[in-house]
Amino acid sequence: RKEVEQDPGPFNVPEGATVAFNCTYSNSASQSFFWYRQDCRKEPKLLMSVYSSGNEDGRFTAQLNRASQYISLLIRDSKLSDSATYLCVVTANQAGTALIFGKGTTLSVSS
Amino acid sequence: NAGVTQTPKFRVLKTGQSMTLLCAQDMNHEYMYWYRQDPGMGLRLIHYSVGEGTTAKGEVPDGYNVSRLKKQNFLLGLESAAPSQTSVYFCASSYSRGPQETQYFGPGTRLLVL
Repeated sequence: RKEVEQDPGPFNVPEGATVAFNCTYSNSASQSFFWYRQDCRKEPKLLMSVYSSGNEDGRFTAQLNRASQYISLLIRDSKLSDSATYLCVVTANQAGTALIFGKGTTLSVSS
Repeated sequence: NAGVTQTPKFRVLKTGQSMTLLCAQDMNHEYMYWYRQDPGMGLRLIHYSVGEGTTAKGEVPDGYNVSRLKKQNFLLGLESAAPSQTSVYFCASSYSRGPQETQYFGPGTRLLVL
């Protein structure tokens, strides 16, 4: 049972490119949604939360479609430092006490 | 402010040995979590705690025990290690269980069971 599915990747893009990651989730009770970033052999770190109205943080834009149970992350003007694995994360229940992580999509930005 | 720290960073065990992984946080967070991350599997929740003296099972609790005797510490125990427990273990903490609450992760413990 795949609760959170992501594009398999890897995505290899040149600097300055725009890249989009997609994610679907199966639990309609999920209330909160996030994108975490994980660098190689490091711990995950919150990149941004995802709100129903969509939200933007600099070059990063996240979108949520509850009806389709679909989440996206758009990265504009890619930088070398954006190279990492991006994890789609949803809460497992309404209490939000547990997170379900996707397997991640790897992004490699080259010069 | 160290955030979330984990001890040890790396350990090699033989099958059947026991060990305890220590997680400590200095952010006065109520909630603490233990995850394991395996190649191609994503992070999976082992156990979590909603406060001092409380623990609860996550998605993959078998073979592990936990204790939260102090608010700042969350211990993960392996009583009899098995090769299937070879993994990277991450501890995390959060202030509350609000739906938008950020989880802060420790640097991880790499465990190899031979």
